[in-house]
Amino acid sequence: GEDVEQSLFLSVREGDSSVINCTYTDSSSTYLYWYKQEPGAGLQLLTYIFSNMDMKQDQRLTVLLNKKDKHLSLRIADTQTGDSAIYFCAEKLRGSYIPTFGRGTSLIVHP
Amino acid sequence: DGGITQSPKYLFRKEGQNVTLSCEQNLNHDAMYWYRQDPGQGLRLIYYSQIVNDFQKGDIAEGYSVSREKKESFPLTVTSAQKNPTAFYLCATGASTDTQYFGPGTRLTVL
Repeated sequence: GEDVEQSLFLSVREGDSSVINCTYTDSSSTYLYWYKQEPGAGLQLLTYIFSNMDMKQDQRLTVLLNKKDKHLSLRIADTQTGDSAIYFCAEKLRGSYIPTFGRGTSLIVHP
Repeated sequence: DGGITQSPKYLFRKEGQNVTLSCEQNLNHDAMYWYRQDPGQGLRLIYYSQIVNDFQKGDIAEGYSVSREKKESFPLTVTSAQKNPTAFYLCATGASTDTQYFGPGTRLTVL
């Protein structure tokens, strides 16, 4: 079955880069997502990558996919206090309705 | 967010009461989902619906019920059979097996 693992906490200084890591289990054709959740709010889709891609960049966000190790990372450049949130990694098989979510990584940005 | 609304934002339930959480969307998405989120945990799927007048149980359906009479609406009823209903409830939608988008959430508290 699918399983998605994330570390629970990450603390960075404002202005530094943040790297949030995720490992997944399924090697089939799959979509991999990053969502952001601010306190008391729903999940906001940040970006996604298909399993035949290696990298995707969108402004301050860079997603890297290592298919061999089934490792996904989200890099946030120039991290700001507004980036403090919980970040969820999710995996969804192509053709499936149901993604599998990790437990989320709490990113804390301090001055 | 955007075209997905959840109401109310906060809901209080007395012991033995049934309560209904509303989820409405104007994105013309076929699929709708209900998740439960507890502190420090990931998202757990309660029910999902791929099409009007059809829905399937998720991982934790016991004590919950849903209906899907209209494409735009997927209400969730938390029944008195749900013994520990205090949680944050998230509704999501998707265009078939495509990416999921989330509403702002409803926080339910049992008094």
